[in-house]
Amino acid sequence: QKEVEQNSGPLSVPEGAIASLNCTYSDRGSQSFFWYRQYSGKSPELIMSIYSNGDKEDGRFTAQLNKASQYVSLLIRDSQPSDSATYLCAASNTGKLIFGQGTTLQVKP
Amino acid sequence: GAVVSQHPSRVICKSGTSVKIECRSLDFQATTMFWYRQFPKQSLMLMATSNEGSKATYEQGVEKDKFLINHASLTLSTLTVTSAHPEDSSFYICSAREGQANSPLHFGNGTRLTVT
Repeated sequence: QKEVEQNSGPLSVPEGAIASLNCTYSDRGSQSFFWYRQYSGKSPELIMSIYSNGDKEDGRFTAQLNKASQYVSLLIRDSQPSDSATYLCAASNTGKLIFGQGTTLQVKP
Repeated sequence: GAVVSQHPSRVICKSGTSVKIECRSLDFQATTMFWYRQFPKQSLMLMATSNEGSKATYEQGVEKDKFLINHASLTLSTLTVTSAHPEDSSFYICSAREGQANSPLHFGNGTRLTVT
């Protein structure tokens, strides 16, 4: 069973802090990795995609990938209350995206 | 960017009836679309892969005769929940990708189905 694992949280951080979200995956053949944000009652929206080992930065977001450890993370700098949502990690091998259960982030003013 | 439109956004139906959900790629062609289901406080579970001009590929445990998928054109896939039961009440979300197989999926706004 190919799986993507995330800590469901909630992860609570104060406004302005760095939020660190983690994800592991079981399928070593996974080639593409994505972070989505989902607000309650809404569909997921893409935040970041990452395909090679190392860091990828986009604004306040940094995705990190370590294929040897089968580990993906997302850092959110200067967290804002509007960042409060569920963050879904997804991995893809054959084109199908397999999602983790999501981590709920709470950013407190 | 790629836009996926899903309709309806919310539907309430009686037990035993059928419901059709439409998914359209508005500004790109999608030979493949994906249908997901999400129960409250759970993650997205892939139900099936919709293939334009051919039969859908269903994930293990998903009944193909209950969840009928039709992908008649490069911009439209439909999911029909047949003989709906209360346990089918869920959030159904379609998705598609604009580029190659390793590019991200773009999601429709989802359909909240409630079966009474």
